[in-house]
Amino acid sequence: AQTVTQSQPEMSVQEAETVTLSCTYDTSESNYYLFWYKQPPSRQMILVIRQEAYKQQNATENRFSVNFQKAAKSFSLKISDSQLGDTAMYFCASGAGSYQLTFGKGTKLSVIP
Amino acid sequence: DSGVTQTPKHLITATGQRVTLRCSPRSGDLSVYWYQQSLDQGLQFLIQYYNGEERAKGNILERFSAQQFPDLHSELNLSSLELGDSALYFCASSAPGQGGGPQYFGPGTRLTVT
Repeated sequence: AQTVTQSQPEMSVQEAETVTLSCTYDTSESNYYLFWYKQPPSRQMILVIRQEAYKQQNATENRFSVNFQKAAKSFSLKISDSQLGDTAMYFCASGAGSYQLTFGKGTKLSVIP
Repeated sequence: DSGVTQTPKHLITATGQRVTLRCSPRSGDLSVYWYQQSLDQGLQFLIQYYNGEERAKGNILERFSAQQFPDLHSELNLSSLELGDSALYFCASSAPGQGGGPQYFGPGTRLTVT
């Protein structure tokens, strides 16, 4: 069984600043994957970034990067140079193999002009 | 655009009724997943199909059923609807043989039960 916890229900950041969203997880799987998804007001679920647990190197996608601490079971998302379009709900998720994802409750991020 | 399509976008129906939600995965994807997003329960996995076969089951009620057809599109059937079934229903798909590959989500079907 897997559990994902996002302890920050809401956060805000000034435009152009940097913000970090927290996520912790628990899993009994030895080979698993971690994801961040973004859900803007349109409600579409958009993949932001993916991390393979067996890789030590932190994943990056343009302004988005993660801090993956395997021993601590922590997987935080850093957004640099925040833009108004980053305003959304952000969900952390874990999965194993080709099976379902387990999602956290989400963090609502507001980017303030 | 993720390449996953879902119809209809919105559905309003009465308690006790039955509805069918439809999903077409991305071209080449064999796995289809159904998720329910409600305000109080968050995103919950319902069921997964892989190349026409049921592969995993989550918190899916007995009143709900699904299937995946030979052309790989999938349908989620919800019957004896209750007010609490009102939610956003997502379909997602993933590429075959790609353990841990990302799931790509459709735009969702918003179901309102009155």
